[in-house]
Amino acid sequence: DIQMTQSPSSLSASVGDRVTITCRASQTISSYLNWYRQKPGQAPKLLIYAASSLQNGVPSRFSGSGSGTDFTLTISSLQPEDFAGYYCQQSYSTPYTFGQGTKLEIK
Amino acid sequence: QEQLVQSGAEVKKPGASVKVSCKASGYTFTSFDINWVRQATGQGLEWMGWMNPYSGYTDYAQKFQDRVTMTRNTSTSTAYMELSSLRSEDTAVYYCARGPVAGEPFYYMDVWGKGTTVTVSS
Repeated sequence: DIQMTQSPSSLSASVGDRVTITCRASQTISSYLNWYRQKPGQAPKLLIYAASSLQNGVPSRFSGSGSGTDFTLTISSLQPEDFAGYYCQQSYSTPYTFGQGTKLEIK
Repeated sequence: QEQLVQSGAEVKKPGASVKVSCKASGYTFTSFDINWVRQATGQGLEWMGWMNPYSGYTDYAQKFQDRVTMTRNTSTSTAYMELSSLRSEDTAVYYCARGPVAGEPFYYMDVWGKGTTVTVSS
């Protein structure tokens, strides 16, 4: 199975800040990388697919980059609704494993 | 609009089975895969497997291979996930999530159900 490792596990920031979350795969996965945001008590929501493609309806402050084994999710200007959990997921091969998650908290 | 509506919470005893349903609406059920993902309280997301509703083909994570069965009823646009031999570690929220349209080169889950809480307790 492909292992996905996110960093940091938690992050404190303020509204308006720019933040970056990193995800590393245990083997090359090309651009088969997705990012999800999960607010407390809610289902995950797809933000980015294919490493850098913005899902329809997702604000442009979210962007993704990377290929191979190293990927990043950047939020250019944090909004109150962005304080949540974030997960990367590889879809290169099954099982489609997730990273352990990053909890983004208000400073 | 496109949505997945899941069945209600379940409480089961160790050793029992649970069957969770996921009813699709607002799109053609047989054109998109259905995935199942679970999340224990305070923990991360764990992918369990996917099913093609058109053919019934399934692909399960090795961890669940012996205990999970994913099926569908195309006449009601409903997918099902049955997990057997339940143990306390199976206590979690179970989500169904839609895969991309057939032919899409990249795989992702773009529509999610609200989740079904399954509690395993004696």
